[in-house]
Amino acid sequence: GAGVSQSPSNKVTEKGKDVELRCDPISGHTALYWYRQRLGQGLEFLIYFQGNSAPDKSGLPSDRFSAERTGESVSTLTIQRTQQEDSAVYLCASSILAATTYEQYFGPGTRLTVT
Amino acid sequence: AQSVTQLGSHVSVSEGALVLLRCNYSSSVPPYLFWYVQYPNQGLQLLLKYTSAATLVKGINGFEAEFKKSETSFHLTKPSAHMSDAAEYFCAVSEGRERGGADGLTFGKGTHLIIQP
Repeated sequence: GAGVSQSPSNKVTEKGKDVELRCDPISGHTALYWYRQRLGQGLEFLIYFQGNSAPDKSGLPSDRFSAERTGESVSTLTIQRTQQEDSAVYLCASSILAATTYEQYFGPGTRLTVT
Repeated sequence: AQSVTQLGSHVSVSEGALVLLRCNYSSSVPPYLFWYVQYPNQGLQLLLKYTSAATLVKGINGFEAEFKKSETSFHLTKPSAHMSDAAEYFCAVSEGRERGGADGLTFGKGTHLIIQP
């Protein structure tokens, strides 16, 4: 596709359930990023991938959060045993390389609501 | 750690008036700075970026921003507002230097720009 796509666009889940969020980056982009945007807050950086490797996972909020990327393409962000404070918009971005000089292109986000 | 403060969660200007959106940052290393715009139901789009070249940066849609080290500021301006400028604007600083080159961006909370006809 022409841009970064994310699915689902909206997800409502019950507290305690697991959810998987998907990101399809722009073809050929080796770097992929996940951010979280809580209501009224700025974007919070979670994790990035260079290729299929995530060198720094310290931005993930808790051990309930995990992410993987395969084939230097699709990435999934998994949240286990969801809590109400996980409700947010989860944004994915990709760039040619994980370096400042390369623009990050953002997807439209997945709005997660935990009831 | 780096941080960004955007003064004013909402800014309202008349069509044709000057737009000024404020951004102040803190950084322990020379910063790279960005402004992104988010139109309703769309993803974030890069407006402009400062990466230690010219301090006055010109971006898309007539926006520009000036890096002022002494004031730790990177305010966004546009001489004449247009109705289509109504959107959410985010200032961001790069953590690349602190993360060994990896570019997790630190964002401000955003400023909602309202254009009055």
